[in-house]
Amino acid sequence: SAVISQKPSRDICQRGTSLTIQCQVDSQVTMMFWYRQQPGQSLTLIATANQGSEATYESGFVIDKFPISRPNLTFSTLTVSNLSPEDSSIYLCSAGTGGSWQFFGPGTRLTVL
Amino acid sequence: KNEVEQSPQNLTAQEGEFITINCSYSVGISALHWLQQHPGGGIVSLFMLSSGKKKHGRLIATINIQEKHSSLHITASHPRDSAVYICAVSPNFGNEKLTFGTGTRLTIIP
Repeated sequence: SAVISQKPSRDICQRGTSLTIQCQVDSQVTMMFWYRQQPGQSLTLIATANQGSEATYESGFVIDKFPISRPNLTFSTLTVSNLSPEDSSIYLCSAGTGGSWQFFGPGTRLTVL
Repeated sequence: KNEVEQSPQNLTAQEGEFITINCSYSVGISALHWLQQHPGGGIVSLFMLSSGKKKHGRLIATINIQEKHSSLHITASHPRDSAVYICAVSPNFGNEKLTFGTGTRLTIIP
């Protein structure tokens, strides 16, 4: 199993600024994922964070808007850049330990004014 | 048509009732997941199954691969079961990218 923590748990940001979300796993994991959940919607995968290489982004998400770092096997960050009210969402990270099982973090609730 | 569909979207029941949430999918899968999301936003993985049935406490998950259908049952429901329940599928074994259903919002009234 894996325990995942995220920081911050919530934030309120001004339009045009950026927010960096940290995801820490208590054990080494092969794959980490970042998701967005817009109000009233289900989860949408933003990207897969690969250790030692660039993240793999899903259709509709670009690196300039959502830069991701994965410096080691237990940590990743997601930055949401140039914030607009449409970015107000819950952002979740998850970790895969192999065999399709995933563990999810507690989420970061972002409100953009 | 979404690849993963859940029903009902919303469900309100009295404490103690037997609850069933359904999930249908249209793609080939290696595994199906049931997740629970509480109002704060955090998600807990309840089950991952590729065949048959699994039970954990008052929760039971079943899957019928031929019919591409899964159900999540809650026995003796309790207000603390109130949450959004999400069905998600893994397309291939070892490919951990999940496709999610839209969720079922369950409210259990004392």
